[in-house]
Amino acid sequence: AIRMTQSPSSLSASTGDRVTITCRASQGVSTSLAWYQQKPGKAPKLLIYAASTLQSGVPSRFSGSGSGTDFNLTVSCLQSEDFAIYYCQQYYTYPFTFGPGTEVDIK
Amino acid sequence: QVQLMQSGAEVKKPGASVKVSCKASGYTFTDSYIHWVRQGPGQGLEWMGWINPNSGGTKYSQKFQGRVTMTRDTSINTASMELRRLTSDDTAVYYCARDWNGNYYNDYWGQGTLVSVSS
Repeated sequence: AIRMTQSPSSLSASTGDRVTITCRASQGVSTSLAWYQQKPGKAPKLLIYAASTLQSGVPSRFSGSGSGTDFNLTVSCLQSEDFAIYYCQQYYTYPFTFGPGTEVDIK
Repeated sequence: QVQLMQSGAEVKKPGASVKVSCKASGYTFTDSYIHWVRQGPGQGLEWMGWINPNSGGTKYSQKFQGRVTMTRDTSINTASMELRRLTSDDTAVYYCARDWNGNYYNDYWGQGTLVSVSS
């Protein structure tokens, strides 16, 4: 199975900050990479698919980049509602696998 | 609006089976695969497999092969996931999630169903 890693595992930031989360795949996944946001007690929410395509309705301060094995999720200007856990997922090959998550909390 | 409504929480004993259902509304049920993903307490997300509601075809993670069965009933727009031979390691929140047009990422998710396995 493809192993997904994320860094950092957690970060503290303030509203208005620019934040970047990195996701790395143990082997190439082309651009078959999605990013999800999850808040406590809630289901994950799709933010980005195909590595860089913004899901409909997601604010434009979220952006994704990368291909192959290295990917980034950037939040350009962190808002209070963005404090959450972020997961990457590869859907290039079975079994689809998620990263361990990055928790973004308030500094 | 697209909604996936899951069945309620379950408490099971080790060795038992559980069946979780997921009722879809707001779109054509047979147009989109349904995936199942679980999340252990304080843990990350784990993909279990998908079902194609149109054909009934399935793809399971090898980890669950032989222990999971995903089915659908198109007459009531409902997908179900049965997991057998439960152990305490299966204690988790189980989510169904839609996969638009076979693209494999999940744009809408159910609210989750907590399955607790304890003797």
